[in-house]
Amino acid sequence: DIQMTQSPSFLSASVGDRVTINCKASQNINKYLNWYQQKLGEAPKLLIYNTNNLQTGIPSRFSGSGSGTDYTLTISSLQPEDVATYFCLQHSSKLTFGSGTKLEIK
Amino acid sequence: QVTLKESGPGILQPSQTLSLTCTFSGFSLSTYGMGVGWIRQPSGKGLEWLANIWWDDDKYYNPSLKNRLTISKDTSNNQAFLKITNVDTADTATYYCARIGGRTPFDYWGQGVMVTVSS
Repeated sequence: DIQMTQSPSFLSASVGDRVTINCKASQNINKYLNWYQQKLGEAPKLLIYNTNNLQTGIPSRFSGSGSGTDYTLTISSLQPEDVATYFCLQHSSKLTFGSGTKLEIK
Repeated sequence: QVTLKESGPGILQPSQTLSLTCTFSGFSLSTYGMGVGWIRQPSGKGLEWLANIWWDDDKYYNPSLKNRLTISKDTSNNQAFLKITNVDTADTATYYCARIGGRTPFDYWGQGVMVTVSS
């Protein structure tokens, strides 16, 4: 089974900061990596699919990159409404979620 | 517009069988490439994928829970189902269903249903 290691677990940043969240797979997942945002009390929402494809309606300050085993979600300029927990999901072989990154505003 | 909504018993006792229903609209499980998956989340914790079912009735299960899970569908009524046998307090969670779209899994999610296992 593929394991996903997500880091950091917790992140505090200021409005306007560039923020990066990482996921590392235990083996090559061939860019089959999605990113989700989950606000408190809500269902997760798809942000990025297949490493770097922005889901319809998602602001362009969100972007994704990576290959092989290492993937990154970047928020280019943090906004107050970005406070949430972020999860990665590999769907190369079965499915595995990362453990999540809780993002807060400093 | 794609929508999904989960329903379940709310509370059940240890050793019982949990039955969940996902009722959806805006897509069909008779369409090539479409599917529905189930995911759960204990309060304050992370997401755990449980099972997927596709338009052709192919099924995938989380290996760690496979012996307890059964996923099925009713294409004509736009519903998917998940059964979990022999539940325990560790199965207490919010359960989500989500669409598996043509491009990627879990592009649309339901609001989730809370399930508590307690004696």
